[in-house]
Amino acid sequence: KNQVEQSPQSLIILEGKNCTLQCNYTVSPFSNLRWYKQDTGRGPVSLTIMTFSENTKSNGRYTATLDADTKQSSLHITASQLSDSASYICVVSAAYGGSQGNLIFGKGTKLSVKP
Amino acid sequence: EAQVTQNPRYLITVTGKKLTVTCSQNMNHEYMSWYRQDPGLGLRQIYYSMNVEVTDKGDVPEGYKVSRKEKRNFPLILESPSPNQTSLYFCASREREGTYNEQFFGPGTRLTVL
Repeated sequence: KNQVEQSPQSLIILEGKNCTLQCNYTVSPFSNLRWYKQDTGRGPVSLTIMTFSENTKSNGRYTATLDADTKQSSLHITASQLSDSASYICVVSAAYGGSQGNLIFGKGTKLSVKP
Repeated sequence: EAQVTQNPRYLITVTGKKLTVTCSQNMNHEYMSWYRQDPGLGLRQIYYSMNVEVTDKGDVPEGYKVSRKEKRNFPLILESPSPNQTSLYFCASREREGTYNEQFFGPGTRLTVL
């Protein structure tokens, strides 16, 4: 069964510190992996999209890595800011075409950045 | 500005009173979908549409209807809402059904059914 597991479920860090969020998946055949940031009560916003051939991709202070062999991804946040407080959702796209089944969502990691 | 809009943003209603949540996108996207988000369950797809007049069920379609008469609009209809449909709803769109296309989400509609 195609699944996406994220850890930790929640995380509290101090402003200025770095953190890493994890995503493990069992989606096959794999097409791409996305990280979204979702502020409380708002729609998810895309941070990165990576295909199997991309090991790392950055978007400002956000750096995503992908190991397609071990089916793991991480999202590293550098020098955290209060505005980074949000849920981060890992989404894996299956390679078979069309329909609703090709985007598999993780349940998210809720990050709180404290001053 | 390219965006997905939803209305209303907040709605409190009573059991059995039909309601419609509108969704519109201005990016000429073919593919649109509706999700609900509940604590501990993440985002779950309700219905999706690959183009005008083409709709299909997602993971949790029971109690919902949709229509796609125009490319830009994809309303979600609750014919007889029940309390278990209290949730945060998101509309989303992407260029087409292809696997690499970025998906854009609307701002969300928080629905409470009493």
